[in-house]
Amino acid sequence: SQELEQSPQSLIVQEGKNLTINCTSSKTLYGLYWYKQKYGEGLIFLMMLQKGGEEKSHEKITAKLDEKKQQSSLHITASQPSHAGIYLCGADPNTGNQFYFGTGTSLTVIP
Amino acid sequence: EAGVAQSPRYKIIEKRQSVAFWCNPISGHATLYWYQQILGQGPKLLIQFQNNGVVDDSQLPKDRFSAERLKGVDSTLKIQPAKLEDSAVYLCASSLGIAGTGELFFGEGSRLTVL
Repeated sequence: SQELEQSPQSLIVQEGKNLTINCTSSKTLYGLYWYKQKYGEGLIFLMMLQKGGEEKSHEKITAKLDEKKQQSSLHITASQPSHAGIYLCGADPNTGNQFYFGTGTSLTVIP
Repeated sequence: EAGVAQSPRYKIIEKRQSVAFWCNPISGHATLYWYQQILGQGPKLLIQFQNNGVVDDSQLPKDRFSAERLKGVDSTLKIQPAKLEDSAVYLCASSLGIAGTGELFFGEGSRLTVL
């Protein structure tokens, strides 16, 4: 069963605002992945975090994995309409051999 | 490099009918995944193959869903008979190694509507 909880479930922000999406697991994660999905399209890989305390950035998106490797946050700075979509965290909280997704966060950016 | 190919992109059937989806992963990728994504939800793992062996099928409704991966390459997901609640996008993904060791690459998905 899926064991990754994301919050918030949906988010509506004005263009230019910053926002944060969280992904929480009850178990230690064997790597945490962030994906983005636009309606009707496949998932696009954003970044992967493996080490506790790790932080990665790509353009205006920064993701962090906490020291205990049970929670990750995705932060978007100065949001743009192109950031709109569904953000999904993915990981295996059990053995490292399977891959589950979180519940997803729907982001709308109002111009 | 060719991506993950899925077909058909769209399928509309009536309940109790059967349907099959096909997936061709990226060449050389050992792991193949089928996910079901219902509108407004995150993808749910149905089955995961490592080469042609099943790693996890705990969430596959085995009374109506079946999947196979012949020769460790292409895969087919079948639903028979379909129910209204099977309406969803079926996503196929592949990765070079086992999960946790690298990125998953996704196809565009097959959208199923059951009437």
